[in-house]
Amino acid sequence: AQKITQTQPGMFVQEKEAVTLDCTYDTSDQSYGLFWYKQPSSGEMIFLIYQGSYDEQNATEGRYSLNFQKARKSANLVISASQLGDSAMYFCAMREPNQAGTALIFGKGTTLSVSS
Amino acid sequence: GAVVSQHPSRVICKSGTSVKIECRSLDFQATTMFWYRQFPKQSLMLMATSNEGSKATYEQGVEKDKFLINHASLTLSTLTVTSAHPEDSSFYICSARGTGGGGNQPQHFGDGTRLSIL
Repeated sequence: AQKITQTQPGMFVQEKEAVTLDCTYDTSDQSYGLFWYKQPSSGEMIFLIYQGSYDEQNATEGRYSLNFQKARKSANLVISASQLGDSAMYFCAMREPNQAGTALIFGKGTTLSVSS
Repeated sequence: GAVVSQHPSRVICKSGTSVKIECRSLDFQATTMFWYRQFPKQSLMLMATSNEGSKATYEQGVEKDKFLINHASLTLSTLTVTSAHPEDSSFYICSARGTGGGGNQPQHFGDGTRLSIL
């Protein structure tokens, strides 16, 4: 079974609008971390936001916020006021247990296209 | 912020050649580094976990004799694709995390290496 599921292969949004990228995860661990990364066409992986399994508040970083619903095992990324530069592939990832020596496992990604 | 340098960024070589990719943590010590492989428009697939001073741990289905990993110091891990063939063409990307900090410390990624085997 997939650990991380991103059901939206592609999303389209207009500039200045908000968009939600879906992510659900599967784990039996109590301690885990959820991450979102952005990958532009150039290939580098850009860290956006983190949510720990014990964090009670949703994480926010500038225009990015994470809608964390623990009971539903979902960690959707919300991008507010989309910009043309937001066009990229977005990956949801999980680390379980949430320790330094544990690799991130990635979802299949969502390609976001922002139009003017 | 933490920086991971990966070199080379692009390699084009003939079938049968061995290719070495370096991954360096520039401003922090990385006991553990990770190597991923990514095909176009697909996810990052973990290949192996590289631990300083010990043997790498390979994921199921990854040939350890094909993909040699060496992590000789706290700041350098290398991936050597031995006797590369066209099917080894892919985007290889490494990541590392510092030894300190809590669970909220993200992994930092190199910029990746595009390997093309002719």
